[in-house]
Amino acid sequence: AQSVTQPDIHITVSEGASLELRCNYSYGATPYLFWYVQSPGQGLQLLLKYFSGDTLVQGIKGFEAEFKRSQSSFNLRKPSVHWSDAAEYFCAGVNNAGNMLTFGGGTRLMVKP
Amino acid sequence: DVKVTQSSRYLVKRTGEKVFLECVQDMDHENMFWYRQDPGLGLRLIYFSYDVKMKEKGDIPEGYSVSREKKERFSLILESASTNQTSMYLCASRDDRYEQYFGPGTRLTVT
Repeated sequence: AQSVTQPDIHITVSEGASLELRCNYSYGATPYLFWYVQSPGQGLQLLLKYFSGDTLVQGIKGFEAEFKRSQSSFNLRKPSVHWSDAAEYFCAGVNNAGNMLTFGGGTRLMVKP
Repeated sequence: DVKVTQSSRYLVKRTGEKVFLECVQDMDHENMFWYRQDPGLGLRLIYFSYDVKMKEKGDIPEGYSVSREKKERFSLILESASTNQTSMYLCASRDDRYEQYFGPGTRLTVT
């Protein structure tokens, strides 16, 4: 079955520190992959997406993600976290022959001053 | 700017009531989706629609139905609300590049 897993439920980092949020996927073929962010009381906003080609994808707000087929991973990174990055982050995938997006359970990021 | 709106941000209903959640998009997208979001479970797909009057069950359709009479509007219906349907409900529409655009969500409490 197709699935997306985010191993970390909560992560706390200090402001200015680097960040990596993990995402693993299980699909028969290379899926389309997405990272979304949800600030408190808000809907989801797309940070970045991977369809094919360059495995390092740049997104909004200084985020990037790297697709690694050998590790079935699509981890999200940011070199220096800002307090405003505190939010919940969701990884999602869709089989390119399908219609339904499958979401991971989410990672809640807290930023210490 | 793309926009998905949901009829209510907060809703409180009693057990057994019929509940309608409305979603409207202004992007002329064919595909629309209803999810529920619960802590630790991420977003789970309830139903989606790929055209007017067309619908498909998602992962958790039990206790829900949907209606899509016009392209821009997709309604989620709880025929007889139960306390285990207390949740955040998110609507989304999708473009032809698989990017989904989400509404702000409706937090439903069933008492």
